[in-house]
Amino acid sequence: DAGVTQSPTHLIKTRGQQVTLRCSPKSGHDTVSWYQQALGQGPQFIFQYYEEEERQRGNFPDRFSGHQFPNYSSELNVNALLLGDSALYLCASRPGTGNYGYTFGSGTRLTVV
Amino acid sequence: DQQVKQNSPSLSVQEGRISILNCDYTNSMFDYFLWYKKYPAEGPTFLISISSIKDKNEDGRFTVFLNKSAKHLSLHIVPSQPGDSAVYFCAASGSSGGSNYKLTFGKGTLLTVNP
Repeated sequence: DAGVTQSPTHLIKTRGQQVTLRCSPKSGHDTVSWYQQALGQGPQFIFQYYEEEERQRGNFPDRFSGHQFPNYSSELNVNALLLGDSALYLCASRPGTGNYGYTFGSGTRLTVV
Repeated sequence: DQQVKQNSPSLSVQEGRISILNCDYTNSMFDYFLWYKKYPAEGPTFLISISSIKDKNEDGRFTVFLNKSAKHLSLHIVPSQPGDSAVYFCAASGSSGGSNYKLTFGKGTLLTVNP
């Protein structure tokens, strides 16, 4: 049983560019959340998708946007990249809207130069 | 403003002894707490959780204690094993108001278990 799958694993982008990160949730999970983990910090909540809609958003600018597809997979898009966007981006999934432990992917390491 | 705080960046214990990791929170709306373990180059792995209606939850070698009045929780690992060496994150969420299940994480504690 595959867990949460994220692609790519590593990415290097230039400041000002745009990036798209992808996530396939664990089988049976329909709720997807994205987190940003900067070096030495805990993961920070970006937003959550359920039924193809953004349900909740953290304190991130509009440069961060997302999408959820009918098969529950999700994308995170970041426009106008800044050096400070360099981080590990984690996707997490869980079933339904209940309060269950999330399953995390291994993340995408984004480096902005 | 950090709502979940792990004040010990690191902890070192001997194999077989008890490891105690601590976590404090400030938001009284939090009512569900989780511990995650993270190895390098991997995503966080769910370890154990506790609801605010309980003060203790046990799963094998792992026990989480919750003191709501002090807004404090702790994770006990007994006995500690070298394979437990990892970064441990405390996380909290609030279930009131419908779908408010986002996780708020602490900065993590690096646990090293020495053979």
